[in-house]
Amino acid sequence: QVQLQESGPGLVKPSETLSLTCTVSGVSINSHSYYWGWIRHSPAKGLEWIGSIYYSGTSRVTISVDASKNQFSLSLSSVTAADTAVYYCAGVAGHGDHDYWGQGTLVTVSS
Amino acid sequence: EIVLTQSPDTLSSSPGERASLFCRASHIVDSNYLAWYQHKPGQAPRLLIHGASSRATGIPDRFSGSGSGTDFTLTISRLEPEDFAVYYCQQYGTSPRTFGQGTKVE
Repeated sequence: QVQLQESGPGLVKPSETLSLTCTVSGVSINSHSYYWGWIRHSPAKGLEWIGSIYYSGTSRVTISVDASKNQFSLSLSSVTAADTAVYYCAGVAGHGDHDYWGQGTLVTVSS
Repeated sequence: EIVLTQSPDTLSSSPGERASLFCRASHIVDSNYLAWYQHKPGQAPRLLIHGASSRATGIPDRFSGSGSGTDFTLTISRLEPEDFAVYYCQQYGTSPRTFGQGTKVE
């Protein structure tokens, strides 16, 4: 079955870059059948789409793919305390009829 | 960017009652690509409805979605104890994808 797993540091200092990796198993991220991306949740803002491998969004966000490892990664630069959140990677089917999520990883921004 | 505004922010209800949650988009949602998610603490969000009105696999029929264009509704016909959670609408017709701010059903 399809599984996603986030990995990366749980603590990042202010002004530094947050880096997370999502490892996908059970389907190739090259299949184009899924919209692979990153979502975060914080009590203050709720759920937020950060970006996808097709659309990075803001200038602070870079999303890259390593097809050889079936992984995609998130880099979020110049972090502040407002970037403290649970970060999820997810894959959404083309017409949105099903999706897969990682378990989520808490990232805290603090000195 | 399409801004989604959900109402109410909080819905106080009891088991067995009917709950109606609303989502209004700042622009027409392309192809009615509007989804509803349920989110509980410590869990990944769960897809309930896609395409505005289609239930995802395994979702009980007490959950239903309706609407088109800019106005959408999630209805829970009879609240079960496990339905008390936060619900989000999300549009996936236009990049960037966006979520509403959520409605807490308590």
